[in-house]
This record gives sequence, structure tokens and C-alpha cells, in this order.
Amino acid sequence: AQSVTQLDSQVPVFEEAPVELRCNYSSSVSVYLFWYVQYPNQGLQLLLKYLSGSTLVKSINGFEAEFNKSQTSFHLRKPSVHISDTAEYFCAVSDAVTGGGNKLTFGTGTQLKVEL
Amino acid sequence: DGGITQSPKYLFRKEGQNVTLSCEQNLNHDAMYWYRQDPGQGLRLIYYSQIVNDFQKGDIAEGYSVSREKKESFPLTVTSAQKNPTAFYLCASSPSGHLMNTEAFFGQGTRLTVV
Repeated sequence: AQSVTQLDSQVPVFEEAPVELRCNYSSSVSVYLFWYVQYPNQGLQLLLKYLSGSTLVKSINGFEAEFNKSQTSFHLRKPSVHISDTAEYFCAVSDAVTGGGNKLTFGTGTQLKVEL
Repeated sequence: DGGITQSPKYLFRKEGQNVTLSCEQNLNHDAMYWYRQDPGQGLRLIYYSQIVNDFQKGDIAEGYSVSREKKESFPLTVTSAQKNPTAFYLCASSPSGHLMNTEAFFGQGTRLTVV
């Protein structure tokens, strides 16, 4: 069984400040890791993912996350946030085992609120 | 445009009535999923289907039913047996075979309110 922990339910931050949203996971097998973003009353959009290779992955809008196997973490960071980044962010994990199916296990989400 | 369509966006039903949520995809994906989202609880898997005419229970299947008669469609019925059906429901799909685990695409969701 897998689990994902997002310890921070809400993160307030001022515009242009840096932010880190924390994600830790547990799994008995190799995993793929994802960050999804959700705007109010909308579905989830994939922000970035780690499948293999470089442990640092980046999105097109300035977010990045680093896979740390020893600490079982996949924290999301952005050096300078914008008002438009206000949303809920979900960390998720799936089995990196062929045939396991993409049954994503989600964390409880972190609400990022960017203030002026 | 390729994507996943959920309808309706908002749905109101009286307690004790069954209700069916629609999910259609034109991405040619084999796998489809239904998740339920409640505040502070993240998303929880209700049912999933990896191929037509086959589906499996997820973590919270009680009170729900699904069918997968066509590749592009995966409707979810919320039955009167579901104790607390008011929630935001999200449908997703993912590619086939060895790509199945690498990404999921989500619809815009249906907010169900039972009164």
C-alpha cells in the first residue's frame, strides 16, 4: 500500500516570495510522483511529474520539484510566486510497476494563497 | 479537441434517489477512473476500469456502481445506499499498456448536492 502526506493544509505567502509545498510518501515498490494543481471548481491539471532520470523536474510556469529517495520526499518549490498561483496543490504517487494500473494515491492537498 | 467531458457540472438530487454522472473521453485511453473529493481529504478512488467490460472497486466503492460498455464512456451511479453522497466527483483517464502509470488526465468535475 502507498500513502502520501502533505503536512501543510494551507500556505500563505506574499507575492514574489519563495514557497515550498512539502510532500512525503511511503511505498514498498518503486513509484512515479506527480504534482497536480486545482483551481476552484475545476478538475486537476498536471503540473509536473517524476518518472525516472534526473531527480529535479520543472514545469513551464516556474515550479520545480526534486525527488529525494532517501527522504521519500517530492517537495514543490517556486522561487517567486504570483497571485495567479493561488490554488490547491496535490501530491500523488503511483506504482512504477508495469501492469499495476494508474491508481493514483493522493495527499490531502495544500491550499496556496498568494497575497499582495 | 481531445479531452474528458463530465456532465453536468452541478447536480442536485433528493435524498434516496439514484443519480448517474456522465464521463466521456476522446483520448483513446483504455483506463478510466472515478475519484471523490471532499474538503481536507484529498481525492479517493471509487472505481477504475483498465479495459472495456471490466472494472474494479477502489477504496470507497460502497454505495456506487459503474459500467464500461464502451471505451470512451464510464458512467458512475450514486445509489441511495451511499450514506453521504454530497461531494465533488472527478473522472480521469490514462494511456494504455506501459504508459498507464505515467499520467492521468482529469475532467472538470461534477459537484453533486443531495438535499
